[in-house]
This record gives sequence, C-alpha cells and structure tokens, in this order.
Amino acid sequence: QKEVEQNSGPLSVPEGAIASLNCTYSDRGSQSFFWYRQYSGKSPELIMSIYSNGDKEDGRFTAQLNKASQYVSLLIRDSQPSDSATYLCAVSSASKIIFGSGTRLSIRP
Amino acid sequence: GAVVSQHPSRVICKSGTSVKIECRSLDFQATTMFWYRQFPKQSLMLMATSNEGSKATYEQGVEKDKFLINHASLTLSTLTVTSAHPEDSSFYICSAESRGGSGETQYFGPGTRLLVL
Repeated sequence: QKEVEQNSGPLSVPEGAIASLNCTYSDRGSQSFFWYRQYSGKSPELIMSIYSNGDKEDGRFTAQLNKASQYVSLLIRDSQPSDSATYLCAVSSASKIIFGSGTRLSIRP
Repeated sequence: GAVVSQHPSRVICKSGTSVKIECRSLDFQATTMFWYRQFPKQSLMLMATSNEGSKATYEQGVEKDKFLINHASLTLSTLTVTSAHPEDSSFYICSAESRGGSGETQYFGPGTRLLVL
C-alpha cells in the first residue's frame, strides 16, 4: 500500500463548477497535510496546509481533513481554466513529507 | 511567502561531465533541504535529505557517490551529478523546509532541467 494515495485522473470539470480532489494516507501519526499545485514543466507550488480536523478555507480553495478516516481533500470552487494542473497531496510522516503521485485536473470551458 | 531559488534553471552537458545545481532559501534559514527528481509525466521522487552541517540521507536506490550533496550553510545546498549520463536527464527540484508554529512546510525551488547528450 502506498503511503499517500491519489487518483491519477484526469479529472475533468466544467468551468465554474466545484472540483473535488481526494487523498488518503496510511500513517495515523501524521500531523501536517499539504496540497501543492504543479503546472506542466514547473515545480510544485504550495496552495494550502492543514493541521487539524475540519475545513480550512482560503479564497476559492477549501482543504478538508479527517484524521479518523485518514483522508484529506481539496475543493476548488468556481473552477477556472487556469486551475488545470496536477495537484499533489503531501503528508508528514517520520520527519519527512511524503507526496502522492498527483491528480491531473482539467477544467473544460 | 518563503522563496527558494535554484541555479541553473536549465543545463545541457556532454556525457561524462559533472553538473552542479545550487539551491538557496532566500528569506529564511533552512536546516533541512530536499532534492527530488521528476521524469516526464511521473511523480516527484525524493532523492535525498540534506541537513546543514551533516551528511545527506539518501533514499534507497540513489547512489550517493554519483549524486553528491553539500549543505554548507543554512541557506545553501548543492547537488552535483558526477559523470552524468543520458539516463540522468531529468527535472531536478529542491525544496527547503521552513519551521513555523504549526510545524514544517516545504517550499520548492523552480527546478533545474538537465539534459545530458
């Protein structure tokens, strides 16, 4: 079992809709959770970090964390074509940060 | 936010030569930096963890004698690809760890694209 699992996609969402990205992790001791966005040919860019159960909102982005179920999600409201990218989920584990393989999101006009 | 730079952004070299890539944290001190490699359409692969003032910790399968890492200061880590071969052609990305009240966060440099002919 991979330590951080994401559906590779591609996930296709119409412009203006809500994009929902999900991630599960295996280490129950993880305390820090992150979402990164990576455009093709570029390095990852931090979007959100979340450390406690519940929702955390930042503009059009909402991160949701459920430690009991070991999942973290990212919602993108009012999706724009510029949101088309690969989204990486990352989880702290044993003093490292483990990355998922990413979900490719495509926003169709 | 935290800024991490990498130099060079792109390098083309002949097979057998060595290439040095620099990673700098510009507005914060990073006791820990990480080096990743990413092949086209694949996920990030952690190569090694670089700790200031001590030896790097390499991931399984990464040759420490081929990928030399030096972390001489709190703001600079270097990766040297020695005797590079075409199969070493890849996108090399560093990240620097910033420790805040809520824990650690990694910020990525812009990456270095290496092409070995």
